[in-house]
Amino acid sequence: GQNIDQPTEMTATEGAIVQINCTYQTSGFNGLFWYQQHAGEAPTFLSYNVLDGLEEKGRFSSFLSRSKGYSYLLLKELQMKDSASYLCAVMDSNYQLIWGAGTKLIIKP
Amino acid sequence: GAVVSQHPSRVICKSGTSVKIECRSLDFQATTMFWYRQFPKQSLMLMATSNEGSKATYEQGVEKDKFLINHASLTLSTLTVTSAHPEDSSFYICSAIRDRNTEAFFGQGTRLTVV
Repeated sequence: GQNIDQPTEMTATEGAIVQINCTYQTSGFNGLFWYQQHAGEAPTFLSYNVLDGLEEKGRFSSFLSRSKGYSYLLLKELQMKDSASYLCAVMDSNYQLIWGAGTKLIIKP
Repeated sequence: GAVVSQHPSRVICKSGTSVKIECRSLDFQATTMFWYRQFPKQSLMLMATSNEGSKATYEQGVEKDKFLINHASLTLSTLTVTSAHPEDSSFYICSAIRDRNTEAFFGQGTRLTVV
C-alpha cells in the first residue's frame, strides 16, 4: 500500500530552526510537495522536489532523497505566524497526490 | 501563483436539502480538479478526481449519488451534496492543476454545516 509518514506534532521556539521529516512508500514517484495549512484555511503551496537535493526558498528549504524515500522541510528564523500544519504529499505513478496526515507545528515565544 | 476560487466559503443548510459548491480556476485552464473533504485535525481525504468533459472518478467509499461532481469546462467544477445530513458537515476543499507534475492550487475551502 501507499504510505506517507510525518510526525504528528512538533514544538519549536521563535527565531530557531526546525526540520519536519517525511518518509514515503508509494507506487511510483512524480514529485513531492510540501504545503502549509493554517487552521480553518485551505493549504498553500510551499515547495516541490522531484530531483534529489535541497531546494531553498527564503526561510524555507526542502530536501529530497528518492533512494531513501525521504524528505524534510526546514524552516529557519521561525516566526509566530509559522504556527500551522505542514502537509507532505507525494505524486504517484498515476499522478495522484498521496497526502500525509500533516505535522502540527507549535511556535513558542 | 495561480488562483482558484471556491464559493461559498461557508454555508448552513437544513437536513435533506442539497448544496452546490463551485470551484473555478481564474487564470489558467485546469486539466484536472480534485475534491477533498477534511475533518478537524485530520489530513485531506480525496473524494474524487474530475477531468473536464468526463465523469468524475470517485474514491472508494465515496457515494457518487450523494456527492455529484460536474466538470463542465476547463475552469469550472461543481460539487453538489445531495440530501445533506448532519454527518456531511465538514470542510470541503477543491484543488486544480494545469498539467501533471505541477503543484495543485487550492480553493479557499467551504465550511458546510448541516442542521
